[in-house]
Amino acid sequence: AQSVTQLGSHVSVSEGALVLLRCNYSSSVPPYLFWYVQYPNQGLQLLLKYTTGATLVKGINGFEAEFKKSETSFHLTKPSAHMSDAAEYFCAVSNANTGTQFYFGTGTSLTVIP
Amino acid sequence: EAGVTQSPTHLIKTRGQQATLRCSPISGHTSVYWYQQALGLGLQFLLWYDEGEERNRGNFPPRFSGRQFPNYSSELNVNALELEDSALYLCASSFYVGQNNQPQHFGDGTRLSIL
Repeated sequence: AQSVTQLGSHVSVSEGALVLLRCNYSSSVPPYLFWYVQYPNQGLQLLLKYTTGATLVKGINGFEAEFKKSETSFHLTKPSAHMSDAAEYFCAVSNANTGTQFYFGTGTSLTVIP
Repeated sequence: EAGVTQSPTHLIKTRGQQATLRCSPISGHTSVYWYQQALGLGLQFLLWYDEGEERNRGNFPPRFSGRQFPNYSSELNVNALELEDSALYLCASSFYVGQNNQPQHFGDGTRLSIL
């Protein structure tokens, strides 16, 4: 079975501080992993994805994530938080057996403190 | 390239009425997904259509239904509306089933409010 766990439904960081949003997955076969961001009253926007190859993936807006198979994790990081990063973040998993259906985590709300 | 478009942006209904939400996928995408995002509940998977067929369904009652048209656009119908149906309904699209390492692309949603 496929599933995603996002630890911490709410995360607060100071402007300029490191952002770390946690995602752990469960997948019966090699996973495809995605991070999305949602700003208020908008849809989800793809930040980055991991399918195969390099385990450190760089995305938009300075975000990156590292696929760690041994830890079944795909944590999202950004070295320096900006006020505009305040949003809801979702991690999702799919694999060759799920077709194009995704399994989403419950989301993490990021607050950036000035 | 046009993104996923959803209409209407907002929809206000009363209990017991029926609502129809529409979605046009990105050109070339054959799969369409519907999600419900109620306050504080994250994304709840509703329905998945591909090539005009329902591929999977989430844990929702039968009064939530939909269809996909030959041009791959889709409708979500909600009958006998209840207050708890108030939510943001998101549509997403992706390439066909064989390309399952591709991301889903989302529209901005329809805000359904039940009075």
